[in-house]
Amino acid sequence: EAGVAQSPRYKIIEKRQSVAFWCNPISGHATLYWYQQILGQGPKLLIQFQNNGVVDDSQLPKDRFSAERLKGVDSTLKIQPAKLEDSAVYLCASTSDLLNTEAFFGQGTRLTVV
Amino acid sequence: QKEVEQNSGPLSVPEGAIASLNCTYSDRGSQSFFWYRQYSGKSPELIMSIYSNGDKEDGRFTAQLNKASQYVSLLIRDSQPSDSATYLCAVQGGKLIFGQGTELSVKP
Repeated sequence: EAGVAQSPRYKIIEKRQSVAFWCNPISGHATLYWYQQILGQGPKLLIQFQNNGVVDDSQLPKDRFSAERLKGVDSTLKIQPAKLEDSAVYLCASTSDLLNTEAFFGQGTRLTVV
Repeated sequence: QKEVEQNSGPLSVPEGAIASLNCTYSDRGSQSFFWYRQYSGKSPELIMSIYSNGDKEDGRFTAQLNKASQYVSLLIRDSQPSDSATYLCAVQGGKLIFGQGTELSVKP
């Protein structure tokens, strides 16, 4: 079974530029999460999708972050414009159901904003 | 109050000792509880899941859940240097929320 795929692995951009991250979950997984993990902290939930609908985006800075999962499969997270404090690892995870199943993580995208 | 709170680290134990990691959560409606291990520069990987009150054992790992106290713990017996990592407590109600992590260092 293929795992969660993310790209790119690394990205360096200047502040005020835009950037996009892509995630392809495990086949058949209905729930997809995007997390931001700043060095030394736990993953912070940005947005949760159930199929192509948003379940929770309460922690997503909507003035600069956007995410979509148009066909209920892969997803894109965008930042525009980026700030220095957006430097973090962006993790995508998926589960087969909302409850009682583990979340599988992709390798993450390490973003550095300079 | 943080939704999921873990005991602050780093936690240092000698090889062969028991490491004890603790976690409390605020949402009484939470139904699923997980412990993930994260090595430096890597993604989290699941090591234990627990869904009902009591203990669950898997090899050297034991997870304990007390829903009345809103408390989850992880015990690692016979700790090995390879157990040195950050341990993340995760709690799921409608969404999956992580604690800040506890860094464990096992000294040979």
